[in-house]
Amino acid sequence: AQSVTQLGSHVSVSEGALVLLRCNYSSSVPPYLFWYVQYPNQGLQLLLKYTSAATLVKGINGFEAEFKKSETSFHLTKPSAHMSDAAEYFCAVSSNTGNQFYFGTGTSLTVIP
Amino acid sequence: EPEVTQTPSHQVTQMGQEVILRCVPISNHLYFYWYRQILGQKVEFLVSFYNNEISEKSEIFDDQFSVERPDGSNFTLKIRSTKLEDSAMYFCASSGGTSGRRSDTQYFGPGTRLTVL
Repeated sequence: AQSVTQLGSHVSVSEGALVLLRCNYSSSVPPYLFWYVQYPNQGLQLLLKYTSAATLVKGINGFEAEFKKSETSFHLTKPSAHMSDAAEYFCAVSSNTGNQFYFGTGTSLTVIP
Repeated sequence: EPEVTQTPSHQVTQMGQEVILRCVPISNHLYFYWYRQILGQKVEFLVSFYNNEISEKSEIFDDQFSVERPDGSNFTLKIRSTKLEDSAMYFCASSGGTSGRRSDTQYFGPGTRLTVL
């Protein structure tokens, strides 16, 4: 079975500071991992995904994530936070069949001016 | 850019009533999904649908729930007799099925907020 754990339900950073949102996965097969962002009153938007092609994945809006098998992690980072990055971020892993995603509990990012 | 659309954006209903939530997936996609998110909780899978039949469903998706693709564009979720605990945001998603099932990106709609009174 697959699952993801997001440590830290709330993260606050200053504008211009590094953003680090943590995601650890558990998977009985090689994982396919996704990060989604949810802005207030909106749906889930794909930021990036890992599909085994490269361990460092670049996404939209300056975000990137690194797949580390030894640490079973797929943390999301951005070098310099913008006010517009304030949102809820979800990590997800695809199931064995690909018929569903398992989502983490989400991390709410606050950017302090 | 193509996107998944959902109607209505907000539905208020009385307990015991039937509701139908509507979705228009991205036009060339083959796989369709419903998820829900109870306020403050994680996004949970309900059902996946392919080739006019359910391919997988969760324990949440009991006999009160059904899905249908009534025509070539719409994908609906019906709740026959709503309960208070059905209050949640319901997301529709679709995927193309062209890059391998497990690596396929699911594209989500903006959601329908269902409030059961």
